[in-house]
Amino acid sequence: DAGVTQSPTHLIKTRGQQVTLRCSPKSGHDTVSWYQQALGQGPQFIFQYYEEEERQRGNFPDRFSGHQFPNYSSELNVNALLLGDSALYLCASSIRFSGALRDEQFFGPGTRLTVL
Amino acid sequence: AQTVTQSQPEMSVQEAETVTLSCTYDTSENNYYLFWYKQPPSRQMILVIRQEAYKQQNATENRFSVNFQKAAKSFSLKISDSQLGDTAMYFCACVYGGSQGNLIFGKGTKLSVKP
Repeated sequence: DAGVTQSPTHLIKTRGQQVTLRCSPKSGHDTVSWYQQALGQGPQFIFQYYEEEERQRGNFPDRFSGHQFPNYSSELNVNALLLGDSALYLCASSIRFSGALRDEQFFGPGTRLTVL
Repeated sequence: AQTVTQSQPEMSVQEAETVTLSCTYDTSENNYYLFWYKQPPSRQMILVIRQEAYKQQNATENRFSVNFQKAAKSFSLKISDSQLGDTAMYFCACVYGGSQGNLIFGKGTKLSVKP
């Protein structure tokens, strides 16, 4: 049973560019959350997708956007990259069941984004 | 604002000994879940143990156990019989409402297990 997968593993961009990160959830999971983890810090919640809609959003600017596809995979897009966007981006998947949130989130290995 | 605080940036322990990592949180919610995650150098965040706030009994998973003090808003992790493979960053996290919502993490504790 494949766990949460993310691509690419590493990415180097320059300021002002745009980037797309991808996440495939664990088999059977339908909810995807994205987190940003700056060096030496705990992860910070960006947003969560369920049924192809953004359901919750953390304190991140509109430059951060996302998408969820019918197969539950998800993309995180960041426009107009800043140096401060350099971080490890983690994707986590989980299951919603009858509208109740029960299971924990399973994390992928992350994408390391470096902005020069 | 809801916060999670880990006051120990780094800790070390000898192999086979016991270590306790501290965590406090601040919330006015009644329905929440608490977690300890482990993040080894490979970066994969792995769930170690979880505690539902409505349960008084402390959670236990093999060598890992928690001391959940709801009134004090404290949630410490005890690792018994420490192993070299326990070397990692440990993050305390809290989620409110359901268990799958917005996880709020502490800054982490770097644990080194020495042979």
